[in-house]
Amino acid sequence: GAVVSQHPSWVICKSGTSVKIECRSLDFQATTMFWYRQFPKQSLMLMATSNEGSKATYEQGVEKDKFLINHASLTLSTLTVTSAHPEDSSFYICSARNIGAMNTEAFFGQGTRLTVV
Amino acid sequence: RKEVEQDPGPFNVPEGATVAFNCTYSNSASQSFFWYRQDCRKEPKLLMSVYSSGNEDGRFTAQLNRASQYISLLIRDSKLSDSATYLCVVNDPGGSNYKLTFGKGTLLTVNP
Repeated sequence: GAVVSQHPSWVICKSGTSVKIECRSLDFQATTMFWYRQFPKQSLMLMATSNEGSKATYEQGVEKDKFLINHASLTLSTLTVTSAHPEDSSFYICSARNIGAMNTEAFFGQGTRLTVV
Repeated sequence: RKEVEQDPGPFNVPEGATVAFNCTYSNSASQSFFWYRQDCRKEPKLLMSVYSSGNEDGRFTAQLNRASQYISLLIRDSKLSDSATYLCVVNDPGGSNYKLTFGKGTLLTVNP
């Protein structure tokens, strides 16, 4: 069964509105979760690292005020795309690892396909 | 140089064929290596980790050459169900976040 659950799986929103995506670890506590974005025929690009109880760490070129990340508990991280524009349309995927050992598998959520119209 | 670079593909092979994917990484301090599989419009799923001594899982064999910073994946006796995009993934050191860097992926289509 899935160990990381992401919701919603797809969303269509109007330009200028905000969209919240949830990522939950089901079988373990994740002090760290990762948010990726994938454009068609491109690789997964890490957007930010979500840290429980502290501020997220954003990758270069990712606007922290546009992509708000909240990691309020050990099992839930949320990504909010604020004032969405058509160019934000993409496949957003979260992942979580049991950070105890470095080689452990990264489990991915099912992904959220965002379309901004 | 890209951090993780893969064969661009796509690869189109008949059932039963053997196919090999190559991957190079730029950070010599990288510590962990993986092959993930991603089906169309789905999330990536771990296929196998890659160990220094090389490892095999059924029809799949992964090799790592640290000196050349090179990783490979060999699929023998291809099945239709092997059709997917294969992602080379490298775990970079530094801090406690264990950042994963993904290659662009190589698309494999196995034909009947």
